[in-house]
Amino acid sequence: EVHLVESGGGLVQRGGSLRLSCAASGFTFSSYWMSWVRQAPGKGLEWVGSIKEDGSEKYYVDAMKGRFTISRDNAKNSLYLQMNSLRAEDTAVYYCASGASYLFNWGQGTLVTVSS
Amino acid sequence: DIQMTQSPSSLSASVGDRVTISCQASQDISTYLNWYQQIPGKAPKLLIYDASNLQAGVPSRFGGSGSGTDFTFTINSLQPEDFATYFCQESDNAPPYTFGQGTKLEIK
Repeated sequence: EVHLVESGGGLVQRGGSLRLSCAASGFTFSSYWMSWVRQAPGKGLEWVGSIKEDGSEKYYVDAMKGRFTISRDNAKNSLYLQMNSLRAEDTAVYYCASGASYLFNWGQGTLVTVSS
Repeated sequence: DIQMTQSPSSLSASVGDRVTISCQASQDISTYLNWYQQIPGKAPKLLIYDASNLQAGVPSRFGGSGSGTDFTFTINSLQPEDFATYFCQESDNAPPYTFGQGTKLEIK
């Protein structure tokens, strides 16, 4: 059974940094694109970015370019999201998901709260 | 960037009803359109990919159609567990991709 488990969320001050992790199991992690999607409280879904199977290609939504970095460690079956210069509007539940063009498995999400 | 417009934003229906949700893209995206279901407090779940393909394990009462800029998501014979929020998402060209704003389906 596929499992994606996010961790690393929490309360951080504006301007601070946080690194989210996503532990994958139950599938061949190194064979799939992986993505991060976020959802602000009471709002819709927002694509954050995606990373190719071998990490050679990465894509980000414009609002996060230069502040957020996606990486992966295929030996550890893990996906990461490094978030810097955090803003109040980055407060959201962050989901990792397998795939890129469509997201066929999702983790349960981890909440990031940016305090001002 | 491609903009996705979903309608309606909310919808009330009864168990057994047939419901339809629309999604319009700001430019031609062929059939690169996906639909997700999100139950409150849970992660989204992929239901339909590439406009009309049912994801494995998803009941056949869910369906999708359309191409170009106009797409439709349908639930036949609503079940109690179908009351949720539904999102469309375009996947044309390279990431990042855009979601629609969501349609909340409530019990009448």
